[in-house]
Amino acid sequence: KNEVEQSPQNLTAQEGEFITINCSYSVGISALHWLQQHPGGGIVSLFMLSSGKKKHGRLIATINIQEKHSSLHITASHPRDSAVYICAVVTTSGTYKYIFGTGTRLKVLA
Amino acid sequence: GAGVSQSPRYKVAKRGQDVALRCDPISGHVSLFWYQQALGQGPEFLTYFQNEAQLDKSGLPSDRFFAERPEGSVSTLKIQRTQQEDSAVYLCASSLRGTLQQETQYFGPGTRLLVL
Repeated sequence: KNEVEQSPQNLTAQEGEFITINCSYSVGISALHWLQQHPGGGIVSLFMLSSGKKKHGRLIATINIQEKHSSLHITASHPRDSAVYICAVVTTSGTYKYIFGTGTRLKVLA
Repeated sequence: GAGVSQSPRYKVAKRGQDVALRCDPISGHVSLFWYQQALGQGPEFLTYFQNEAQLDKSGLPSDRFFAERPEGSVSTLKIQRTQQEDSAVYLCASSLRGTLQQETQYFGPGTRLLVL
């Protein structure tokens, strides 16, 4: 079992739909990041969370520390949102460890 | 200002060849990270520098992998005697300070390594 798991692995949506991507982790963490990776490899950091909720434009990220779960929501999805969304956690064990999920591949159709 | 840059963007190596991958972090950034991303997988942590000090190299898969950042700026990831399983995208990221948990990391475009 991976320490960071994302669901779904693949998601196809119609333009305008509300999208939710989930991340569950089994280790103690000090922070959780949501990243966006476009084809060609470029990664952009979307959010960094240690508690509660953050919003940026059409993107909303929430985290529940007790349940070890985070969600990324996209409202009014658009084809340009098509990308791989990766959840990554910074663990509290050891010197430093940054563990990534395998990503959710999102395709938004026009 | 310029973001994180990596070179080369693509590298094809014959099995057994040594390769060196370069990362230029954002100027002034203290922390630098190397990650390995296999096809269809999420990135995996390799190593972390704070200035010139390599504080964590627990993710390096074997002693064929070596990373350095001698002047606390540019970093090089060297892979000796490359194997086919080393084929992956190698990502570099930097962040402004050394406070890992609360900082955004800025990623480079990656170097795609193919070992034949």
